[in-house]
Amino acid sequence: DAGVTQSPTHLIKTRGQQVTLRCSPKSGHDTVSWYQQALGQGPQFIFQYYEEEERQRGNFPDRFSGHQFPNYSSELNVNALLLGDSALYLCASSWDTEAFFGQGTRLTVV
Amino acid sequence: AQKITQTQPGMFVQEKEAVTLDCTYDTSDQSYGLFWYKQPSSGEMIFLIYQGSYDEQNATEGRYSLNFQKARKSANLVISASQLGDSAMYFCAMRGEFSGGYNKLIFGAGTRLAVHP
Repeated sequence: DAGVTQSPTHLIKTRGQQVTLRCSPKSGHDTVSWYQQALGQGPQFIFQYYEEEERQRGNFPDRFSGHQFPNYSSELNVNALLLGDSALYLCASSWDTEAFFGQGTRLTVV
Repeated sequence: AQKITQTQPGMFVQEKEAVTLDCTYDTSDQSYGLFWYKQPSSGEMIFLIYQGSYDEQNATEGRYSLNFQKARKSANLVISASQLGDSAMYFCAMRGEFSGGYNKLIFGAGTRLAVHP
């Protein structure tokens, strides 16, 4: 059984560009959450999707948007990239008391 | 508001010794869950152990145990018989369980553990 998988693993973008990150949840998990982890800090909650709807949102601007598909996979989109968006982006899938993370996408904005 | 505090930025331990990583939390929820994750340099957040606020027994998973003291609002991670591969960042996290377990995770700042041979 594959766990949570994310793609791509690394990405370099230029300031002002747009990026899409992808996540496939663990089998049986219907809820997907996205987190941003800046260097040397703990992960910060961006938003959560359940039944293809955004259920909760953290303190992130509208440049950060997402989507969940019928198979529970999810995308995170970031528009108008800023240098400060450089971080490790983690996807977590959850069900009941379980919460498992993918290996993350390391985004560098230059 | 929920908050997780990890007061140890870095810890050292000798191989085969036990080590305790501290975590205190603050929440007004009656029902919540506490998690510990390990993050090696590769970046993946690896789930270690979970404790529900109504669980009467401390959680254990192999060499990991969670010392849960509800009145003190602490959820310390104990790693027994440390191994070199345990060197990593360790994060304590909390989730309110009110909404059936689907709430966001709130993370602490982490503790970097170094295991010496």
